[in-house]
Amino acid sequence: DAGVIQSPRHEVTEMGQEVTLRCKPISGHNSLFWYRQTMMRGLELLIYFNNNVPIDDSGMPEDRFSAKMPNASFSTLKIQPSEPRDSAVYFCASSPGTIDGYTFGSGTRLTVV
Amino acid sequence: DQQVKQNSPSLSVQEGRISILNCDYTNSMFDYFLWYKKYPAEGPTFLISISSIKDKNEDGRFTVFLNKSAKHLSLHIVPSQPGDSAVYFCAASAGDDKIIFGKGTRLHILP
Repeated sequence: DAGVIQSPRHEVTEMGQEVTLRCKPISGHNSLFWYRQTMMRGLELLIYFNNNVPIDDSGMPEDRFSAKMPNASFSTLKIQPSEPRDSAVYFCASSPGTIDGYTFGSGTRLTVV
Repeated sequence: DQQVKQNSPSLSVQEGRISILNCDYTNSMFDYFLWYKKYPAEGPTFLISISSIKDKNEDGRFTVFLNKSAKHLSLHIVPSQPGDSAVYFCAASAGDDKIIFGKGTRLHILP
């Protein structure tokens, strides 16, 4: 298995633009998680899905952030409009339903200028 | 508010000596604890875990200790090796699917 695949690896965008981050989980994993890493707050859980259904989005910072999982093999995290304070590394992880079975992708480094 | 706290942003240890990384938590509902390791430009990878019914779990050079009364856990690495230089995240779960992470501690192994 190729692991959790995230794209793009790097994204630089101007303030106010829409940004879409993509994630392909490991086949057979039924849980998917979006995390954001910053120096100030470490790894924050933004939202997670179980069997494609959003279970907990309490970590989503604002209405500018939205996430979808239209099928078991694809998820997106969208920021519209983007702001400089959204600059961070965004990680996607998937799990087969066990707590120590999380596999993270390599992350997307987002820079909003 | 941080439910999982790693108060040391960085730690330097001589190669061959013991590395001790510390973590505190505030949520008494946490019943499973994990340590993840992260190299630059990569995602975190699972290292070792411990259930709240235990106070110690060992895997090779890595041992995790849990003190429930103090809401404290620690990761011991002995002996420390150059490849152990990385960021280590302490994490916890309250019985649901999600894991809450700390801010991480950057470990430098000195030659």
